[in-house]
Amino acid sequence: GAGVSQSPSNKVTEKGKDVELRCDPISGHTALYWYRQSLGQGLEFLIYFQGNSAPDKSGLPSDRFSAERTGGSVSTLTIQRTQQEDSAVYLCASSSIRTGGVQPQHFGDGTRLSIL
Amino acid sequence: ILNVEQSPQSLHVQEGDSTNFTCSFPSSNFYALHWYRWETAKSPEALFVMTLNGDEKKKGRISATLNTKEGYSYLYIKGSQPEDSATYLCASVSGYALNFGKGTSLLVTP
Repeated sequence: GAGVSQSPSNKVTEKGKDVELRCDPISGHTALYWYRQSLGQGLEFLIYFQGNSAPDKSGLPSDRFSAERTGGSVSTLTIQRTQQEDSAVYLCASSSIRTGGVQPQHFGDGTRLSIL
Repeated sequence: ILNVEQSPQSLHVQEGDSTNFTCSFPSSNFYALHWYRWETAKSPEALFVMTLNGDEKKKGRISATLNTKEGYSYLYIKGSQPEDSATYLCASVSGYALNFGKGTSLLVTP
């Protein structure tokens, strides 16, 4: 069975460039989350999508970060004008939302982003 | 968002030892607590989702307890094996997202 798929697995780019990270959630999961883990830090919530509702963007660290979820499935996280502090592992997760936060989240393998 | 704290930060035990770690979380407006195991080069894997005070859950040699009134959870591993080496994360539910601790990194050597 297919789990959460993320691409690319690794991305190295120069400061100031834009990057796009992709997440393909488990089929049928209506909730999709983006997190990141910077060096020495815990997993940090970025953004949450639920079905066709407006996303919860409260965790996005700056206006350089944006995310879309097209057709209620695949999501793209875009970071514009990357900075060195954006270097982190970016994780995507999905869950069945029938009972909200009591459902476990299923994570992808992550994208390791390095900004030179 | 109030912090979820985990201790110890890291732990090194010998194969066959039993071990435990602590997760403390804000007890006000508690909804649920999650435990995940994150092995190197893999994705975090859900272990338990706990909701009720006094809850105890078990999965093989791993078990967890929950005290929502005082805001802590313990994760126990009985008879640790090298394949248990991983980072163990706990997270409290905040809205629909998870508020994670920094994790406990466990190394089990033969």
